Amino acid sequence: DTEVTQTPKHLVMGMTNKKSLKCEQHMGHRAMYWYKQKAKKPPELMFVYSYEKLSINESVPSRFSPECPNSSLLNLHLHALQPEDSALYLCASSQDPSGSREQYFGPGTRLTVT
Amino acid sequence: AQSVTQLDSQVPVFEEAPVELRCNYSSSVSVYLFWYVQYPNQGLQLLLKYLSGSTLVKGINGFEAEFNKSQTSFHLRKPSVHISDTAEYFCAVSLNTNAGKSTFGDGTTLTVKP
Repeated sequence: DTEVTQTPKHLVMGMTNKKSLKCEQHMGHRAMYWYKQKAKKPPELMFVYSYEKLSINESVPSRFSPECPNSSLLNLHLHALQPEDSALYLCASSQDPSGSREQYFGPGTRLTVT
Repeated sequence: AQSVTQLDSQVPVFEEAPVELRCNYSSSVSVYLFWYVQYPNQGLQLLLKYLSGSTLVKGINGFEAEFNKSQTSFHLRKPSVHISDTAEYFCAVSLNTNAGKSTFGDGTTLTVKP
């Protein structure tokens, strides 16, 4: 199984809502990533989890809160978002965090903030 | 720090013609290089990777790339494209000292016309 799954596929939320994005992989990968992707742009790294610990936070606003409950799951909690946060949110995993391994991407969650 | 430049933002080509998508990188240390493809409304999928060894790398869907250390390039090629190859292509570089953080190029939109 070389699949990374993400739920939901689409999410519309108001600026006062709280919601969560979920990501799951069963490949035994020990590194997991959250990216934000705007239309016609490359993915922008938000967070990296290495062996279930947060290893990189790319100065992401606190309205985005990541969580790694176990080695297979990655969540992104959203609160008080702004319209400019509307984007495709991609989760990825990699065999290890050394950089020498490719990343496996999920299909993404299309987020619209109204 | 490493950087990646994809030299063409858009490449239109006719079906069954050959194509080359160009990628240059800059880094003061050894790098790992990747090409990913993104079809509309999907996540990224690995096409091929260069970690070490042979400089000619073969990937999925008939694509190949050549690592040229002296020119710091990793150009992607396919001898005969299909309509289904229409997609966004991203070149990425990572270091083994960077906690698995990849830097992506801005992407090249390949449009295959009948």
